[in-house]
Amino acid sequence: AQSVTQPDIHITVSEGASLELRCNYSYGATPYLFWYVQSPGQGLQLLLKYFSGDTLVQGIKGFEAEFKRSQSSFNLRKPSVHWSDAAEYFCAVGAPEGNEKLTFGTGTRLTIIP
Amino acid sequence: GAVVSQHPSWVICKSGTSVKIECRSLDFQATTMFWYRQFPKQSLMLMATSNEGSKATYEQGVEKDKFLINHASLTLSTLTVTSAHPEDSSFYICSARDLNTQYFGPGTRLTVL
Repeated sequence: AQSVTQPDIHITVSEGASLELRCNYSYGATPYLFWYVQSPGQGLQLLLKYFSGDTLVQGIKGFEAEFKRSQSSFNLRKPSVHWSDAAEYFCAVGAPEGNEKLTFGTGTRLTIIP
Repeated sequence: GAVVSQHPSWVICKSGTSVKIECRSLDFQATTMFWYRQFPKQSLMLMATSNEGSKATYEQGVEKDKFLINHASLTLSTLTVTSAHPEDSSFYICSARDLNTQYFGPGTRLTVL
């Protein structure tokens, strides 16, 4: 069975600083990998996804993520955060040959300080 | 593209009544939709997988007679919470699958008094 770990429950960064949110997964092969963002009281918005190919993927809002097979990781990065990036971030994995379900991490809450 | 809507965005009802939530894919057809429940400050819990033209597949522990799902067309799935009780109060989110990616609706806040 697949699983996802987001080790950081809450991260606080200063506006303009760089950001890295960690995501580790457990799966027998290369899964489909996703990062979603959720603002309070809202649904989830897809930031980026990885299926295959180039291991560095670019997403919306200036985010990128790198798939590292050796570390079973798919960390999300942004070089300079904006106050509007404050939200909850979820990493998710899906099985390419499987039942279409996603397994979500527990989420990382990002707080931005001036 | 890949926009998913939900209606209503919030609903308040009395205990014992039924509430229907709609999930629509606006610019694509979705043979598969998903229903999630989210408790405050927690991750999403998958309730069921909704397949167009067939019965939904419920996750373990989810009462299928309480949470009725109908996926009558390629762009619409509905979740009906029957005989709602205060413990059913939650944030319900749907998603629709397009090319191996799930796109989420904005969610519905249900409060049962």
